[in-house]
Amino acid sequence: DGGITQSPKYLFRKEGQNVTLSCEQNLNHDAMYWYRQDPGQGLRLIYYSQIVNDFQKGDIAEGYSVSREKKESFPLTVTSAQKNPTAFYLCASSIGAVNTGELFFGEGSRLTVL
Amino acid sequence: RKEVEQDPGPFNVPEGATVAFNCTYSNSASQSFFWYRQDCRKEPKLLMSVYSSGNEDGRFTAQLNRASQYISLLIRDSKLSDSATYLCVVCRGGNAGNMLTFGGGTRLMVKP
Repeated sequence: DGGITQSPKYLFRKEGQNVTLSCEQNLNHDAMYWYRQDPGQGLRLIYYSQIVNDFQKGDIAEGYSVSREKKESFPLTVTSAQKNPTAFYLCASSIGAVNTGELFFGEGSRLTVL
Repeated sequence: RKEVEQDPGPFNVPEGATVAFNCTYSNSASQSFFWYRQDCRKEPKLLMSVYSSGNEDGRFTAQLNRASQYISLLIRDSKLSDSATYLCVVCRGGNAGNMLTFGGGTRLMVKP
């Protein structure tokens, strides 16, 4: 089955620890994205990558880092510099330019910082 | 003012009812518009695009009003399975990856 796989689904971490969320896709999509969703708020873009070995900051990149060494993989690291890391993190991909509107999302990773 | 605004709801309706949601956007240069559906604690999924002339997909009808800068979603003959949060998404256009803006969502609860 083609799709996007995020892991872990649930993650608990102590304050001050870095954590890396995995995102893998087998859709052969060029572009990949990381969004953050907080209760009652729209999805906010953290980072995106339109091609291997290149990525761009989104609206709320501070405290996060990414890499895109392979087309299939776009891991997100939530660093200790992120002030409010508890959130629902969604990875997505698109065939090409995002202005077609269709993003394919993974099932999400719910991070709780204690 | 938020770039994309939606009434968070919840909208509580009985099965079989017709319900409509609006979404307003502030950027007049916005080029394309979409509705996504998100079930509780799940990922969003594209429900339908919104075309200038309006479009229908079964019980769902989407409309765009550029002059007033809003889009709407009408659901006829509501089913229990329609219970979800509906996200309005606006695209500014261009080929970069940061062109989409998501609204906060409108929660719909369909009751038996």
